[in-house]
Amino acid sequence: AQKVTQAQTEISVVEKEDVTLDCVYETRDTTYYLFWYKQPPSGELVFLIRRNSFDEQNEISGRYSWNFQKSTSSFNFTITASQVVDSAVYFCALSEKSGTYKYIFGTGTRLKVLA
Amino acid sequence: DADVTQTPRNRITKTGKRIMLECSQTKGHDRMYWYRQDPGLGLRLIYYSFDVKDINKGEISDGYSVSRQAQAKFSLSLESAIPNQTALYFCATSEKRTNQPQHFGDGTRLSIL
Repeated sequence: AQKVTQAQTEISVVEKEDVTLDCVYETRDTTYYLFWYKQPPSGELVFLIRRNSFDEQNEISGRYSWNFQKSTSSFNFTITASQVVDSAVYFCALSEKSGTYKYIFGTGTRLKVLA
Repeated sequence: DADVTQTPRNRITKTGKRIMLECSQTKGHDRMYWYRQDPGLGLRLIYYSFDVKDINKGEISDGYSVSRQAQAKFSLSLESAIPNQTALYFCATSEKRTNQPQHFGDGTRLSIL
């Protein structure tokens, strides 16, 4: 059955440290998409990245980078040189062709970056 | 103006009351969704609609109903609210193309006493 696991409930780091948020997924589909969203304290959900199952190329956007590994069914998110503004809840989500591309969300990881 | 607008933003009501949460969008997207967020549980899908004539139940539809009044409007109703429906509710939209991300409203915080 399809599932997204974010085992880290909460992570605390000191500013400027690097931090990796883990996301492990389960699916039987060969066609699927993975997403990361950020939910800052203000509550809105902000789209960060989309990755399809046929593209394992890692991506970097400023201080953010994503490592997609089909062999381990993981799509991990790393923040380099964290800042207080990175404090938020981060959600990983899966959408599958067999599920008509509805999202399945993980339970989220709360990141606290301390000054 | 926000692309996906939810009203109200906050609501406190009593058990047994009928409540409607509204969502409107200016993105021109065909697909619309309602989720609820509970601490430690992430977001769970309540209902979704791929176009005006297509409405489907999600993971947790019991106790909820929806109406897709137009392409731009998708409302969620709680016919007889109960305390365990206290949650943060999100509306989202997406394009018909399957690989596009969903865009979320700012959420409605609902408390049922």
